[in-house]
Amino acid sequence: GQQLNQSPQSMFIQEGEDVSMNCTSSSIFNTWLWYKQEPGEGPVLLIALYKAGELTSNGRLTAQFGITRKDSFLNISASIPSDVGIYFCAGTTSGTYKYIFGTGTRLKVLA
Amino acid sequence: DADVTQTPRNRITKTGKRIMLECSQTKGHDRMYWYRQDPGLGLRLIYYSFDVKDINKGEISDGYSVSRQAQAKFSLSLESAIPNQTALYFCATSGGEETQYFGPGTRLLVL
Repeated sequence: GQQLNQSPQSMFIQEGEDVSMNCTSSSIFNTWLWYKQEPGEGPVLLIALYKAGELTSNGRLTAQFGITRKDSFLNISASIPSDVGIYFCAGTTSGTYKYIFGTGTRLKVLA
Repeated sequence: DADVTQTPRNRITKTGKRIMLECSQTKGHDRMYWYRQDPGLGLRLIYYSFDVKDINKGEISDGYSVSRQAQAKFSLSLESAIPNQTALYFCATSGGEETQYFGPGTRLLVL
């Protein structure tokens, strides 16, 4: 089945650093979603994007819907230890109600 | 209380046994999904349901069946469990805004 290319696969950063990750697709999407998953838990929705070029923030998190509609980016500013987890992107096309997921970026923050 | 709940949270079973994983939601969403997550892989769709009378196979439905007992309940069955069905299973729901909300997951081990 189709999966989105998400990079990097993993990151080790120092507390206080900024983080960037991205997701690319061979298909056009109408909606991009970003999730965070912590060990033993389900993915939690962080940000939803609905329009090409859209930039949306949620606290220290900022996500962008790429203008080609085939990519999306997530930035985390001033990372803290509780940012540790796996971040997933997901895309969907209007009306299909089916979601394609990235393979995840595993983030570790060193205090 | 959580909007999407799954039972059991953990299950150990033996090869050949039939087991059922249950999902309930209080979000009032029509669309419900079952996904499987394996280490290092993204989420893969097993089955999805757009309403009580609508059931659809996902990309990895072989060996699984589902039942949509009510708008709020969607259960997943493994007819005859095998070791390669050992995985983390997630239920999710989706509403009008095309976002998805996940349950906490069921960790299944098939011996």
